[in-house]
Amino acid sequence: AQSVTQPDIHITVSEGASLELRCNYSYGATPYLFWYVQSPGQGLQLLLKYFSGDTLVQGIKGFEAEFKRSQSSFNLRKPSVHWSDAAEYFCAVATYNTDKLIFGTGTRLQVFP
Amino acid sequence: EAQVTQNPRYLITVTGKKLTVTCSQNMNHEYMSWYRQDPGLGLRQIYYSMNVEVTDKGDVPEGYKVSRKEKRNFPLILESPSPNQTSLYFCASSSALGVDGYTFGSGTRLTVV
Repeated sequence: AQSVTQPDIHITVSEGASLELRCNYSYGATPYLFWYVQSPGQGLQLLLKYFSGDTLVQGIKGFEAEFKRSQSSFNLRKPSVHWSDAAEYFCAVATYNTDKLIFGTGTRLQVFP
Repeated sequence: EAQVTQNPRYLITVTGKKLTVTCSQNMNHEYMSWYRQDPGLGLRQIYYSMNVEVTDKGDVPEGYKVSRKEKRNFPLILESPSPNQTSLYFCASSSALGVDGYTFGSGTRLTVV
């Protein structure tokens, strides 16, 4: 069965520092992969997605993610974190034409000034 | 503006009193889905619909009902709410899940006392 693992429940970084949030998935075929962000009290906003082509994808708000098939990973990165990036981040996986988007349990990012 | 609209945003109710959370999308999407979000568990799918009059159970359907009589609307019904249904609920829609992922509503925070 498909599954998504986000091993870090909570990450704290200083403003201006680089960031990497980890995501590992389990699925036999090529997955479609997504990162969503949820700001406090808000819904989920799509940051970026991967479904084919270049394994390094660029998203909104300066985020990028790299798909590594050999490691079954899709880690999210940002070179310099801003205080407004404090939020919860969810990795999700789907397969083409399926009806389900499966989410990881999320990583809460805290940013210190 | 393309969006998914949920109502109400907040709801406090008593055990056993039937309630409906409405969801409407203006993007002519075929797929619609309901998720609940609980701390440490991420988002779990309750029900989904692939088109009008086509609905199916997700991972946690017990205690919930849905209907899809029109393409744009996908209400979530709790016939007899219980305290374990206290949660944050999200409605979402998509035209092609594997490629686009879901667009989410702003959420409904339900408290059952």
